[in-house]
Amino acid sequence: DGGITQSPKYLFRKEGQNVTLSCEQNLNHDAMYWYRQDPGQGLRLIYYSQIVNDFQKGDIAEGYSVSREKKESFPLTVTSAQKNPTAFYLCASSQAGGFRNEQFFGPGTRLTVL
Amino acid sequence: AQSVSQHNHHVILSEAASLELGCNYSYGGTVNLFWYVQYPGQHLQLLLKYFSGDPLVKGIKGFEAEFIKSKFSFNLRKPSVQWSDTAEYFCAVNAGYSTLTFGKGTMLLVSP
Repeated sequence: DGGITQSPKYLFRKEGQNVTLSCEQNLNHDAMYWYRQDPGQGLRLIYYSQIVNDFQKGDIAEGYSVSREKKESFPLTVTSAQKNPTAFYLCASSQAGGFRNEQFFGPGTRLTVL
Repeated sequence: AQSVSQHNHHVILSEAASLELGCNYSYGGTVNLFWYVQYPGQHLQLLLKYFSGDPLVKGIKGFEAEFIKSKFSFNLRKPSVQWSDTAEYFCAVNAGYSTLTFGKGTMLLVSP
């Protein structure tokens, strides 16, 4: 069953700790994306990767880091530099790079920083 | 930079009522337009998209949207909503080589 998995579903961390959110896809998609969703704010792009070993900053990259060592994996690290990390994080993928392609989304990870 | 505006943050309708959700964008050139939907407890998924051609686009579950270039709009419509249409709806725009910009979303509640 093809799709995108994100783990964990809920994550709690203490302020000042780095935390890594997992995103895996078995759709054989080239491009992957990380969005942040806040109530009433829609989705905002954090980072994206159009091909393995390459990624670009999105609109709100400060305080986040990513890696793309494998085609199927695109983990997101929320660092202690992110001023307001509590949010719902969505990972997505698309068949090819370029933002006109349909993006397929994972179930999301809700991060709460205490 | 492009921006997307969804006029209604919350909409409440009774079953069988007609639906129209507004979406306006700011970009003067060629755009690719999308509506995504997030049903309760489900993944965000594509409802419909417009790239070119017929400005009236049909999507899944009886939804359609009309691209009106002169008004920079891409409104979503459905003639008769069902309780199962309760969800959050996002309009999104891609222009040229830019990224995908989402609107802030409209929460639709359909009462049975």
